[in-house]
Amino acid sequence: GQNIDQPTEMTATEGAIVQINCTYQTSGFNGLFWYQQHAGEAPTFLSYNVLDGLEEKGRFSSFLSRSKGYSYLLLKELQMKDSASYLCAVRDSGYALNFGKGTSLLVTP
Amino acid sequence: IAGITQAPTSQILAAGRRMTLRCTQDMRHNAMYWYRQDLGLGLRLIHYSNTAGTTGKGEVPDGYSVSRANTDDFPLTLASAVPSQTSVYFCASSDEASGGADTQYFGPGTRLTVL
Repeated sequence: GQNIDQPTEMTATEGAIVQINCTYQTSGFNGLFWYQQHAGEAPTFLSYNVLDGLEEKGRFSSFLSRSKGYSYLLLKELQMKDSASYLCAVRDSGYALNFGKGTSLLVTP
Repeated sequence: IAGITQAPTSQILAAGRRMTLRCTQDMRHNAMYWYRQDLGLGLRLIHYSNTAGTTGKGEVPDGYSVSRANTDDFPLTLASAVPSQTSVYFCASSDEASGGADTQYFGPGTRLTVL
């Protein structure tokens, strides 16, 4: 079975840094993805980790620890447009993704 | 280049009716997927296809069927719609043959209401 947990909601201030955590217990592991989804829109790809460590891409970074079943998404220099849902997804075997329920991030002025 | 398109954008359907949601991609991706997204439940996989001519069941396949006659199209059919199938449906595709990150790209979604 699959179990992917992330906080339901978070609030942060414009210009600040926020970390969104994701823990997973899956029958296999073949990569972890983070997606961003604005209200009423489709999910869009943010980052991918398959090896332990930090992947940095501009203001967004994602970290993975396979031994701990843990990942986080770090958003720096928050902007109002970063208010969205952030989805953690794990590929166990095959090609399909198993998604967590998502974290709704609200950025306030 | 359109990427992935879905039709219709939204639909209100009477219970018991048959409905086909269309999905087309122009990226020549070999793998395609159908997800439904419900408040509080996140995205759940309905069916998938690893390559043209093959399909498989996901987490919530009951009441849905798919076909993959060619690379580009992956329609999802509700044979006899029920109110619990009210949801937002997303189609996605990925290139599993390139050896890269195999990122899934999502279509804009279809909002379906079954009354």
